[in-house]
Amino acid sequence: QVQLQQSGPGLVKPSQTLSLTCAISGDSVSSNGVAWDWIRQSPSRGLEWLGKTFYRSKWYNDYAPSVRSRININADTSKNQFFLQLNSVTPEDTAVYYCSRVQGSGWSNWFDPWGQGILVTVSS
Amino acid sequence: SYELTQPPSVSVSPGQTASITCSGDKLGDKFACWYQQKPGQSPVLVIYQNNKRPSGIPERFSGSNSGNTATLTIAGTQAMDEADYYCQAWDSRTAFFGGGTKLTVL
Repeated sequence: QVQLQQSGPGLVKPSQTLSLTCAISGDSVSSNGVAWDWIRQSPSRGLEWLGKTFYRSKWYNDYAPSVRSRININADTSKNQFFLQLNSVTPEDTAVYYCSRVQGSGWSNWFDPWGQGILVTVSS
Repeated sequence: SYELTQPPSVSVSPGQTASITCSGDKLGDKFACWYQQKPGQSPVLVIYQNNKRPSGIPERFSGSNSGNTATLTIAGTQAMDEADYYCQAWDSRTAFFGGGTKLTVL
């Protein structure tokens, strides 16, 4: 059974970088056929997909257009973890952040499971 | 940007059938998923690939997708099914979620 355990600070100052970690058990971050994603949820924006990292002989990323200029998602195979970095945060980035595994094939992909979520507040 | 529209709320009596819709342009040409989220918890996948149930999800949950509308149906709704439900689909390599529907069982 795959489990995702998130960690990171719950408070970030405006203009600084939000950094979160997702530790994987029960699967490998470099598995073929899956991807590792970050999603956030806020009352104003609902559920918003941020991006993914995945390994297909080499590492690839996809990012949401809304955050593409300031996001980075990468992985550490030795620790079986993947990470979210979101730069130049503003109060609008305040949200519960989730990590998730994406599996499927072709255009059919789904998020399962999800991490426990971390509320990140952007405030001075 | 691709929009998925859900009704904000749906009410159902225990034992009855609940239907939650999700509308999007040519949604039937894509694959729809559904997630259940209870207060203070992370979303849980209940339907994937339009109509498939993950292991552990009760048979009373089913899905369909045609035209511009995907539908989540819960037959014989139970009190434990009261939650927020979100539809999701992919467009241009980006995942989009509906705004969510609060299912009330009363």
